[in-house]
Amino acid sequence: DAGITQSPRHKVTETGTPVTLRCHQTENHRYMYWYRQDPGHGLRLIHYSYGVKDTDKGEVSDGYSVSRSKTEDFLLTLESATSSQTSVYFCAIQGSYNSPLHFGNGTRLTVT
Amino acid sequence: ELKVEQNPLFLSMQEGKNYTIYCNYSTTSDRLYWYRQDPGKSLESLFVLLSNGAVKQEGRLMASLDTKARLSTLHITAAVHDLSATYFCAVDRKIIFGKGTRLHILP
Repeated sequence: DAGITQSPRHKVTETGTPVTLRCHQTENHRYMYWYRQDPGHGLRLIHYSYGVKDTDKGEVSDGYSVSRSKTEDFLLTLESATSSQTSVYFCAIQGSYNSPLHFGNGTRLTVT
Repeated sequence: ELKVEQNPLFLSMQEGKNYTIYCNYSTTSDRLYWYRQDPGKSLESLFVLLSNGAVKQEGRLMASLDTKARLSTLHITAAVHDLSATYFCAVDRKIIFGKGTRLHILP
């Protein structure tokens, strides 16, 4: 299995607090993605990265920011968490444009 | 804006039957991905289709891509209970997902 780790696995936080989710890979893959998964919506792309310091917005980027200062780490930040951001967040990595995505195990975030 | 539509969204079928899941997308793309997700688990890659007319098969699953029709199909042959899962297609460089097809195979 591809070496990809998400942390934390579960988090409960209060509305208005900042939250950072981490995705760490050991595969040296160029492409990294953050998705959120909600019932009835499938997976929706939040942000993605083509390389160090090279990121772009996805379908549902409002309220989220990302950073990639090293190849192996892709951070997702909720600047001020809202209840609508309660979700399961998946990180994925991709070695080349023609290869499949490999997903992490997900982070379940609850905003109360 | 790219739209990816899967149908059906839910499918209940008997073991031993054949069925097809459809994935339509709205803009030109030459690559399409199929994934499987079991309840409470992460996603597992099934197929990557990279060109018009591409066909790939693994066990009882076969996927095809028609880029001119902007359509991919995932065909299930002689379904077995172990294939019960949610199946997603995803399209394009940004890798936009459909909403998924929840497949329930009755023993």
